[in-house]
Amino acid sequence: EIVMTQSPATLSVSPGERVTLSCRASQSVRNNLAWYQQKPGQTPRLLIYDASSRATGTSVRFSGSGSGTEFTLTISSLQSEDFAVYYCQQYNDWPPWTFGQGTKVEIK
Amino acid sequence: QVQLVESGGGVVQPGRSLRLSCAASGFTFNTYAVHWVRQAPGKGLEWVALISNDGRNIYYADSVKGRFTISRDNFKNTLYLQMNSLKPDDTAVYYCARQTAMATFFDSWGQGTLVTVSS
Repeated sequence: EIVMTQSPATLSVSPGERVTLSCRASQSVRNNLAWYQQKPGQTPRLLIYDASSRATGTSVRFSGSGSGTEFTLTISSLQSEDFAVYYCQQYNDWPPWTFGQGTKVEIK
Repeated sequence: QVQLVESGGGVVQPGRSLRLSCAASGFTFNTYAVHWVRQAPGKGLEWVALISNDGRNIYYADSVKGRFTISRDNFKNTLYLQMNSLKPDDTAVYYCARQTAMATFFDSWGQGTLVTVSS
């Protein structure tokens, strides 16, 4: 089973700041990595797939990068609606499909 | 638009059973694989089970193997999860999620249904 590890667990950020979230895989997942956003009380929403491709409706503020075992989600200028928990998920080696434990982006 | 609507959650005693449903609309259900993913209160996402579009390929997480059964009715556009021998650790919001046509990530999620296993 591939273990996904996200860091940090919580990020305190001011609106307008640039944010970088990290996700590490226990073994290579090539570029088969997705990012999801989950706002409080809401369902997860696909943001990024194939490590760097934006899903339909994803703002250009969000960008993904990386391959192999190291991945990054960057929010260029944090907006109020971006405060949420972000999960990475690998889909290279399954089952099981595995998620990181999440990074919470909160208001500083 | 794509809609996935879960139902069937509730409070159940340990050792008992529950069946969840997920009604799909807005897309051709029988051409997509679908998954169940759960989220314990205040915790992260955990994949539970997958069923292929035609029901021939099924996979389970080790934590539910032998206790849960995923199935689908393509005539009714509905996904199911039969949960037997429930444990307190199964307490979670259960989401159904559609797998994309091109790769095995999830492009649409339902709103979830809460299952609480408690005596």
